[in-house]
Parts: sequence; structure tokens; C-alpha cells
Amino acid sequence: GAVVSQHPSRVICKSGTSVKIECRSLDFQATTMFWYRQFPKQSLMLMATSNEGSKATYEQGVEKDKFLINHASLTLSTLTVTSAHPEDSSFYICSAGTGQTGTEAFFGQGTRLTVV
Amino acid sequence: AQSVTQLGSHVSVSEGALVLLRCNYSSSVPPYLFWYVQYPNQGLQLLLKYTTGATLVKGINGFEAEFKKSETSFHLTKPSAHMSDAAEYFCAVIIPTSYDKVIFGPGTSLSVIP
Repeated sequence: GAVVSQHPSRVICKSGTSVKIECRSLDFQATTMFWYRQFPKQSLMLMATSNEGSKATYEQGVEKDKFLINHASLTLSTLTVTSAHPEDSSFYICSAGTGQTGTEAFFGQGTRLTVV
Repeated sequence: AQSVTQLGSHVSVSEGALVLLRCNYSSSVPPYLFWYVQYPNQGLQLLLKYTTGATLVKGINGFEAEFKKSETSFHLTKPSAHMSDAAEYFCAVIIPTSYDKVIFGPGTSLSVIP
């Protein structure tokens, strides 16, 4: 199956700094990538949809200025958490689609962000 | 709007007993259905999926699920629970034409008692 690589798997940062998370599709071109956030003991909530070469579409309640998404190529999307605060500590996971409807989504390994 | 519900946020079974995790969905069009498992501090692993064809689908680790359109359900079962099955299970849907956007249910935490 298709492989999605997410990096880093864990990151600890100081409050007020920014953190970038990368999501790469290794063996296919991903026209669309999705970013999810998971708080402890909770489900995965879609944050935004990232389309190559265009602006991301954010779900209601997600601050687009805080969670910057860039999808500059067909194999790479990045999520930057700007001016991170402890409440941003969470598990972030990306998924990539091949653009063919009905296919499964391929997930990265996830990134555990801890803001201290 | 599409949604996924999972009855029972926590299910506990004895080792060797039947595992049944319930999932119902709401969608204006027939969705594609998935079950994922998540072990502590890890990412998601696809257990099985239904897109078209046979409504009883078999997945990894002895799990299977049956799509019942009339009941809008996709319950997950395993005949005999193993200690290693203890994890969080998420039912999810993809709506055709959504370019693989996954909508997750709230999850069910499965505990297996020795």
C-alpha cells in the first residue's frame, strides 16, 4: 500500500515558539492531504484539508493563523503550529489521498507535540 | 452532514470471549466504511474496510465486519479476544467524492480481562 511518512514523531517545544510538522507521501502523488488532531482519550478531529498549490480549507473553530498549512508539492504538506501554547499539546496526524474517490486514506505515524 | 457513532466508549471482554464493537453511520450517500485500531501512543492501523461488493469483510488479526445498509451499521467482531487486542478502535467513513477525507467515530476502548 501507499506510504505516508510524518516527521518528527515527537517534539517538545517551549511556549511561544513555532513547530513545523512534515507529511510526505513516499510512493504516490497526493493531491489532497488532511491534518487531524487528537487530544488524549478522544477521537481524531479534522483540522484542515490541504490541496496542492492552493490555500488550505480549515474546519470550523480551527485558527488558520495559528495552524499554518503549506502544500507546496504533490508529495509534501507541512503544518506549522505558531506561537505554541501548552493547550496546543496534542497528537497530530496527517493523511494523504491519491485523488481517486473511494480509496482508503493513508495515514502518517503521527506527531506527539508537547509544549512546555 | 455525515456522522459516525460508536455505542459504548468502553468495552470489556474476557480473554477468549466474543468481541463486538458497534458502529452506526449517517450519510446522505452510501459511504465507504473503515475500522482502525490505535495502540497507546501509536498511530492508526487499518483493520478492514468496505467499499463495494461482499458486505462481510475480513480484516487483519481475525477481525471482521458486516455492512448492513438497512441498519446503517458496520459492527466489528472477533470470535475470540486476545490480550493483544486491548486498544482503541475507531470506526470511520469516507464519503465518495470527498477525496479521501476521513470522518471518525468517537472511538471505543477495548479492554481484555485475563
